[in-house]
Amino acid sequence: QQQVKQSPQSLIVQKGGISIINCAYENTAFDYFPWYQQFPGKGPALLIAIRPDVSEKKEGRFTISFNKSAKQFSLHIMDSQPGDSATYFCAATYAAGNKLTFGGGTRVLVKP
Amino acid sequence: GAVVSQHPSWVICKSGTSVKIECRSLDFQATTMFWYRQFPKQSLMLMATSNEGSKATYEQGVEKDKFLINHASLTLSTLTVTSAHPEDSSFYICSARDLETDGYTFGSGTRLTVV
Repeated sequence: QQQVKQSPQSLIVQKGGISIINCAYENTAFDYFPWYQQFPGKGPALLIAIRPDVSEKKEGRFTISFNKSAKQFSLHIMDSQPGDSATYFCAATYAAGNKLTFGGGTRVLVKP
Repeated sequence: GAVVSQHPSWVICKSGTSVKIECRSLDFQATTMFWYRQFPKQSLMLMATSNEGSKATYEQGVEKDKFLINHASLTLSTLTVTSAHPEDSSFYICSARDLETDGYTFGSGTRLTVV
């Protein structure tokens, strides 16, 4: 059973535009929600993460919005750049040291 | 920040041989490490969770006798693919949890090709 659903599967955005990726989860026990960026042939790298006690977190051009009641969270990439072209994964976990549950991934292509 | 080193980055082996992949946490101690497998254009699939000094916990459907995991120290976990076959060809990624930052750091991955 997939516990984290991610959409869209792919996204094309113009340089300077906003990329928005959405995730929905089922397990209300989840308390840590990270986003990862992965380039081809490389391991995922942590972009930004949020806990349920805040509704939004911003780091540079990356913002997470979190809606606890709807069990949804999203990643916004502002002023998208060609170098942002990558696959993005949302994930969720609960309790210390537990395994991450990943979304299916979103392939983002930023056109110059 | 936390760094996880994974070696080798790629390996080609003959069918029937075994291959060992190492995962090291360079600047933190990792009591728990995770091993993933990733197929092209797909998400990460958790294979097993390894805890230092104890047996690994394998996900359903993962053959524990084929994918041997050892976590002998707080900074090193190894995955050995035994009697590898072409269908084992994949991208393998390890991850370690940093208790100080509460984050999960990933290695750079290992591309295994079995010929």
